[in-house]
Amino acid sequence: AQSVAQPEDQVNVAEGNPLTVKCTYSVSGNPYLFWYVQYPNRGLQFLLKYITGDNLVKGSYGFEAEFNKSQTSFHLKKPSALVSDSALYFCAVSEMTGNTPLVFGKGTRLSVIA
Amino acid sequence: DGGITQSPKYLFRKEGQNVTLSCEQNLNHDAMYWYRQDPGQGLRLIYYSQIVNDFQKGDIAEGYSVSREKKESFPLTVTSAQKNPTAFYLCASTLGERNNQPQHFGDGTRLSIL
Repeated sequence: AQSVAQPEDQVNVAEGNPLTVKCTYSVSGNPYLFWYVQYPNRGLQFLLKYITGDNLVKGSYGFEAEFNKSQTSFHLKKPSALVSDSALYFCAVSEMTGNTPLVFGKGTRLSVIA
Repeated sequence: DGGITQSPKYLFRKEGQNVTLSCEQNLNHDAMYWYRQDPGQGLRLIYYSQIVNDFQKGDIAEGYSVSREKKESFPLTVTSAQKNPTAFYLCASTLGERNNQPQHFGDGTRLSIL
């Protein structure tokens, strides 16, 4: 069965500094990987996904993520954080084969301080 | 604009009462999902449906029921058997059955016990 770990409940970063939100995964085969963002009292918004190909994936709002198969990681990054990036971030994984639904991590709250 | 509409935004349940949460999508998506979100626990899958007139249990289906009579609608009933229903409920949909498609989310229903 697949699983996702987001080891940090909270990440604090100063505005203008680079940010990283960590995600590691476990699947029996090859993964599909996703990042979503959630603002208060709203649904999740899709940021980016890794399906196959280039290990560096670029997504919405200047975010990117790097797929590392040997470390089973898919960390979310942004070169320069904005206060408006403050939100709850979720990593999710599904298996390339089969038809099982996405499994989500528990989320990491990002706080960008001006 | 295409999207997913969840209603109501806030819902209160009395002891012994069943309540139904609405989820409608006009994206022509095949698959629909219901998640429960509790603080610090991420998203947990309740039920999902990949095609009309068919649905499968997720990880926490006990005390909940669903129907999928139309492609665009996937209502969730929280029954009196669900002893701890207070949570934020999210509905999502994807195009097709393949796991490489991102999920689109509604803005949720917050359910509380009176």
